Amino acid sequence: KNEVEQSPQNLTAQEGEFITINCSYSVGISALHWLQQHPGGGIVSLFMLSSGKKKHGRLIATINIQEKHSSLHITASHPRDSAVYICAVFNQYGNKLVFGAGTILRVKS
Amino acid sequence: DTAVSQTPKYLVTQMGNDKSIKCEQNLGHDTMYWYKQDSKKFLKIMFSYNNKELIINETVPNRFSPKSPDKAHLNLHINSLELGDSAVYFCASSRTGQSPLHFGNGTRLTVT
Repeated sequence: KNEVEQSPQNLTAQEGEFITINCSYSVGISALHWLQQHPGGGIVSLFMLSSGKKKHGRLIATINIQEKHSSLHITASHPRDSAVYICAVFNQYGNKLVFGAGTILRVKS
Repeated sequence: DTAVSQTPKYLVTQMGNDKSIKCEQNLGHDTMYWYKQDSKKFLKIMFSYNNKELIINETVPNRFSPKSPDKAHLNLHINSLELGDSAVYFCASSRTGQSPLHFGNGTRLTVT
């Protein structure tokens, strides 16, 4: 079992829908990252969290340290949000990053 | 200006050859990484270097040898390439500890 589990693996949404991607982890962490990988292959860091909640435009990320769970929300989804979203956690020493398998999101117009 | 740049973007080579992938960052970061993304799109860390010192070597065959001439560069040399080495290799950098990661655009390696 992977130390970082994401759900769902695949997600198809209509434009405008509210989207949630979940991430659960089983190890002690110092920080959690949400990454976005577009079909072209490039990877972009969306958020880094160690507690609470962060917002950037239509994206919101939350983390619950006690429950070892994080969520990424996309409000008013758009076809350009179609990408793979990857959750990754830094271990408690901050020197090792473990990745989830990713969630493939497709937003249809 | 590209923050983290990898070259080449595509690399096609035959089994048994030796090849190198270069990575440079101009962000002033002191930690650099190499990741491998397999055909199922799963990312896995290979190496982590902090201030030119190897921090992590994750069960990677010793045919893979990272070289860090200075804090801004982390190159990956692969000896005796095998079919299973075909993947996309990503370089990334960050400040020590908790800081956002910056990724290169990846190098797609195909071994025939």
